[in-house]
This record gives sequence, structure tokens and C-alpha cells, in this order.
Amino acid sequence: GQQVMQIPQYQHVQEGEDFTTYCNSSTTLSNIQWYKQRPGGHPVFLIQLVKSGEVKKQKRLTFQFGEAKKNSSLHITATQTTDVGTYFCAGPNTGGFKTIFGAGTRLFVKA
Amino acid sequence: DAGVIQSPRHEVTEMGQEVTLRCKPISGHDYLFWYRQTMMRGLELLIYFNNNVPIDDSGMPEDRFSAKMPNASFSTLKIQPSEPRDSAVYFCASSPPGPSPYNEQFFGPGTRLTVL
Repeated sequence: GQQVMQIPQYQHVQEGEDFTTYCNSSTTLSNIQWYKQRPGGHPVFLIQLVKSGEVKKQKRLTFQFGEAKKNSSLHITATQTTDVGTYFCAGPNTGGFKTIFGAGTRLFVKA
Repeated sequence: DAGVIQSPRHEVTEMGQEVTLRCKPISGHDYLFWYRQTMMRGLELLIYFNNNVPIDDSGMPEDRFSAKMPNASFSTLKIQPSEPRDSAVYFCASSPPGPSPYNEQFFGPGTRLTVL
């Protein structure tokens, strides 16, 4: 079945450095969502991308949806300690009618 | 808004016991999802409902797991009998009405289940 793959699995950065996580699908996605989960917390919705080549920004976060709608990225500029957590991408399952979450990228930020 | 409410927040039980997890979705939302999260398997969708009707239960591990949604404001996930490998954090999520279940999902705080 369709899977959403995320890389890297972990990322350690120094505060102030940039961070990027990538999400790839074997099939075309009608949309992609991004969530953040703080340690000990629950996933919180960040954004949804729908259009091919779409780019959206939320303060220091930049989200992109690939032209072929098979990949997406989340870029954080100048990370802060408040950015720590796991970032998940999620996309619809082409074989069914549900959302599949990637394995997530866990971000560690050293002050 | 109170958000999605789950109870209990923590549950410790012994193998073989029945466990019931509860969820109250956000008022007005007509999709409800049950997820299980472990380090090994990540975030897995177990089952989801639309307008109280189960739509996809293909993620339910086995017959020991069952879920119900008797009305729009309440759902349960039951494990009977429980086993140590069921230990995980179980999340309930809901999303607003729409043509598909691909809308933004609002997650509850989760229930951390430990089966000894």
C-alpha cells in the first residue's frame, strides 16, 4: 500500500542553525499535512498543502509541496529550543480513504 | 473549546484484564479517529468513524480490539483481553465535516496504557 516516508529519522542541531525534514511518497498525493508533537504531548496540526509547487510560510517555518505532488519539505530557519519535538507529515492513502502518517523526524536543539 | 477529551490519561493493568479507553470529540466534528503510538511502529491508525459509523477498521490489530461510537459525542476503544504488547499511547482525534477525512485532525492528550 501507499506509504509516506520521512527523512531523516533524527536531527541534532545547535540553536540558531537551520533544519529541514523531507517527506516522500511513491504515489501522487492530493494533499499533505504537517504536524508537530512535543515530547510527552500529542500531535498538533501545522498546515495543509494542496497545490502542486505550493509554498507556505509560518514565521520561521517554510512548507513546500513538490511539483509532482509526491514530496514535501518543512524547513525551519534559525531553530530555537521551542522547536524541539517530532515533525510528522501525513497524506491520504490511495488504496483507501484515510490519512497515513510518516514515521516522523525528531528534532533536538542544543542551546 | 475544550478540545478532544480522553480518559483515563494513564492506565496500568495486568495481562488478561479488559481495558476501556474513552473519547469525547470536539462538538460539531463528524470524523473520529483512534490511533496507537509506539516507538517501534510509530503512529498507527486503528479505526475511524464518520457520523458515528465505522468506515475503516483495517488497522485494528486483532479481535481483541473493538471500538464503538454510540453517539456523536462519545467513543470507546476496548481491549479484551489485554496483553503486554498492547502497551502504547492511544490517541483519539476528530476532524470537522468535509467531503473526505483529509481535513485537519485535532488530537486528544492521549491515554498511556501499560499492560503488565
